Amino acid sequence: QITLKESGPTLVKPTQTLTLTCTFSGFSLSTSAVGVGWIRQPPGKAPEWLALIYWNDDKRYSPYLKTRLTITKDTSKNQVVLTMTNMDPVDTATYYCAHRRDYSDYWFDPWGQGTLVTVSS
Amino acid sequence: EIVLTQSPGTLSLSPGERATLSCRASQSVSSSFLAWYQQKPGQAPRLLMSGASSRATGIPDRFSGSGSGTDFTLTITRLEPEDFAIYYCQLYGTSPRFTFGPGTKVDV
Repeated sequence: QITLKESGPTLVKPTQTLTLTCTFSGFSLSTSAVGVGWIRQPPGKAPEWLALIYWNDDKRYSPYLKTRLTITKDTSKNQVVLTMTNMDPVDTATYYCAHRRDYSDYWFDPWGQGTLVTVSS
Repeated sequence: EIVLTQSPGTLSLSPGERATLSCRASQSVSSSFLAWYQQKPGQAPRLLMSGASSRATGIPDRFSGSGSGTDFTLTITRLEPEDFAIYYCQLYGTSPRFTFGPGTKVDV
């Protein structure tokens, strides 16, 4: 059974850097073609894809946010870390990590439970 | 950039009724790249349908997906109480990119 869980601060101040950790089980990020993505969802709005890291350390970012995002992995710890710089109140959202099984899977399944991050001074 | 629109924004139905949800892409896309998710309050999105018409594991057969080109449909033949939720379509694009539609809320 694949599970993912996000962790990190619930409150950050404007201009600060957000660091979120996704800890997963049931799969390995050293398996060919596997990926882990980050998606966020502002309250009452649709999800928005942020970043994706593959088993081979290939990294992809949303073109709208790529200058602010960094995604890394620690395969030995089964963790993926997302950092987002220069946080703003509009970045208030629930942040999810999710599993992508293969290059031919054009979706994420499953998702973690999410963690709500509020940006406020 | 391909934009997804979903209609209606809200669908008010009763248990036992049929729900038809639309997802439209601003240009033609491969149906392989279209997925549907269900999201209940306080929960993460759950994959319902991949490749526009393939049910994900554990999804009951009252859910079906169809469509091609720019128009895709999610149909729930007989609404159960647990089906009242928000439904999002999602498109895979090059680079890659993952784009979500604005959602359709199915409520009572």
